[in-house]
Parts: sequence; structure tokens; C-alpha cells
Amino acid sequence: DVKVTQSSRYLVKRTGEKVFLECVQDMDHENMFWYRQDPGLGLRLIYFSYDVKMKEKGDIPEGYSVSREKKERFSLILESASTNQTSMYLCASSLEGRGELGTQYFGPGTRLLVL
Amino acid sequence: AQSVTQLGSHVSVSEGALVLLRCNYSSSVPPYLFWYVQYPNQGLQLLLKYTSAATLVKGINGFEAEFKKSETSFHLTKPSAHMSDAAEYFCAVSRGDSSYKLIFGSGTRLLVRP
Repeated sequence: DVKVTQSSRYLVKRTGEKVFLECVQDMDHENMFWYRQDPGLGLRLIYFSYDVKMKEKGDIPEGYSVSREKKERFSLILESASTNQTSMYLCASSLEGRGELGTQYFGPGTRLLVL
Repeated sequence: AQSVTQLGSHVSVSEGALVLLRCNYSSSVPPYLFWYVQYPNQGLQLLLKYTSAATLVKGINGFEAEFKKSETSFHLTKPSAHMSDAAEYFCAVSRGDSSYKLIFGSGTRLLVRP
């Protein structure tokens, strides 16, 4: 079974802090993704990575950056946390390819509260 | 551009009743379609997926979905709801520009009444 883990289930941070969210997958997947989930909006893609050190912006990258130094690990960074970044953050991974291969596997999520 | 619409942010059924969650998509290329389920305070779990084989797809926990190209739909059904089915359900379609990226619907919360 694919396992995707996230470093924290719950985080509370203050406005202006730098925040690191870590994600690790154990199935040698090429692709990794960061989403945020907000009520009524579904999942929105922040960034994704298709290889080590490779990244592309998703639909809502403003205020975020990412790092992928190793294939199994993908970090999301909030450079200066703001209250509008309070949300549930979900990490996912998938193999390279379409359809069957493109199935995404999700971590348990990190619920972030910015005060 | 690809998009997904889930009709009904909340659906309530009685235990034992039919579950029907609606999903319509638009896609400029043959789509790959997915249904995911999210239980409270958990990540998303794959229920089933359509990847251009059989149009009727069976998933876990007794769920199934039928791909109807003429209606651009991929509705999720289960003949008899169980209390443990209470969760949020997301429909997703692969993006045309980059197939390994998905576009998610806004979700439907299923409530099961005893």
C-alpha cells in the first residue's frame, strides 16, 4: 500500500511566522502535490513537483513556496503566514503517467490555524 | 478547459436507501475520472476510477459509477446506504494539459439518517 505521511495533523502559528509543512511518500512516486482544502471550494492545487528539484505552480501559488530535495519528500513553505492561509493542507503523490498511473494518493492532512 | 460540477453540497439519505451523488464534467480530451471519499479529519481515499475501460466502474465499499459520455456525467451510486458511508465525496477529472494533474469538484457531504 502507498503511504503518504504529513509531519503534523494540527498546527497553530502566528501571523508573520515562517511555516514548514512536510510530506513523505514511500512508493517511489515521481509526482507530488500540495493542495489546500476549504469548505465549498474543494481542493485547489498550490504547487506540484514532477521530479527532484523540479516544481511548477498550481492554481493558487501566491504566498507559498516548495522544496523537493529528495524524491520521497516534498515540503510546503509559507514564507510569512497570514490569517487567510488558515486551511486544511493535503499532500498527494502519484506515478508518472495518465489514468491508472495518474491516481493520486493522499496523506491525512494538516489543519493549520494562523492567529 | 476541464471542469467538474457536483450538484448538491449536502445529500441526506436514510440508512438502507439508495445513494446517488451527481458529478458532471467538461473536458476537451477523453477524460479520466475519479471519485474520492474523505472521512472526518482524514485525507482523501480513492473510491473508484474510470480510465477508458468499462463504462460501469465498481469501487470499494459497494460503490459504483457509470461513465456516460453523452451526458458528460459520472454519477456515484450505492444501492443501500450504511451509517459508515457518512463522509464527504469528491469527483475529479484529469486535466487535459497535463494528465497527471486533477481538477476536483467542490464536494458533496453525505449524511445518513438512522
